[in-house]
Amino acid sequence: NAGVMQNPRHLVRRRGQEARLRCSPMKGHSHVYWYRQLPEEGLKFMVYLQKENIIDESGMPKERFSAEFPKEGPSILRIQQVVRGDSAAYFCASSLLLAGVGTDTQYFGPGTRLTVL
Amino acid sequence: DQQVKQNSPSLSVQEGRISILNCDYTNSMFDYFLWYKKYPAEGPTFLISISSIKDKNEDGRFTVFLNKSAKHLSLHIVPSQPGDSAVYFCAASEGTNAGKSTFGDGTTLTVKP
Repeated sequence: NAGVMQNPRHLVRRRGQEARLRCSPMKGHSHVYWYRQLPEEGLKFMVYLQKENIIDESGMPKERFSAEFPKEGPSILRIQQVVRGDSAAYFCASSLLLAGVGTDTQYFGPGTRLTVL
Repeated sequence: DQQVKQNSPSLSVQEGRISILNCDYTNSMFDYFLWYKKYPAEGPTFLISISSIKDKNEDGRFTVFLNKSAKHLSLHIVPSQPGDSAVYFCAASEGTNAGKSTFGDGTTLTVKP
């Protein structure tokens, strides 16, 4: 059973370009979460999605960032017009059920390291 | 305002001894706490969790203690092994949605042979 997959593992973009990060959850998982980790910091929650629905995007910057989890295919985190401050590791996690007390835990992917030149 | 703090950026322990990693939180609404382990170039891996109705949870060599009045939790690893060397993150969440966790900045544990 393959784990959570993210691609690309490394992505280099110039300022102003678009970055697309993909996340394929574990088989059968319908809950997807995106986190961002800046250097020397912990992971910061960005967005929680279920198939075709954004459930909670309270951690997502209001501009330039968007996420989707279509009925078919991977979840996509899109960053438009990237700036140097977007350079970070972006982690995706998935769970079978809503992750919480007494229920399923989250399984993290290996992350995508975005570098903005 | 950082709601989850891991005040020790690093910890070095001899193999076979106990490792104690600490975590403090400020949000009294947090009621579910998790520890993750992370190796370089990999995603975090869930280790152990505890809900606020308990003060201790044990899983093999790993034990998490929760002191709600002090808003403090700790992870004990005993005996420590070189393979335990990694970054350990403490995370906390409100209600049942552990997916929206607030993470600390991590503690790098080095276990020396």
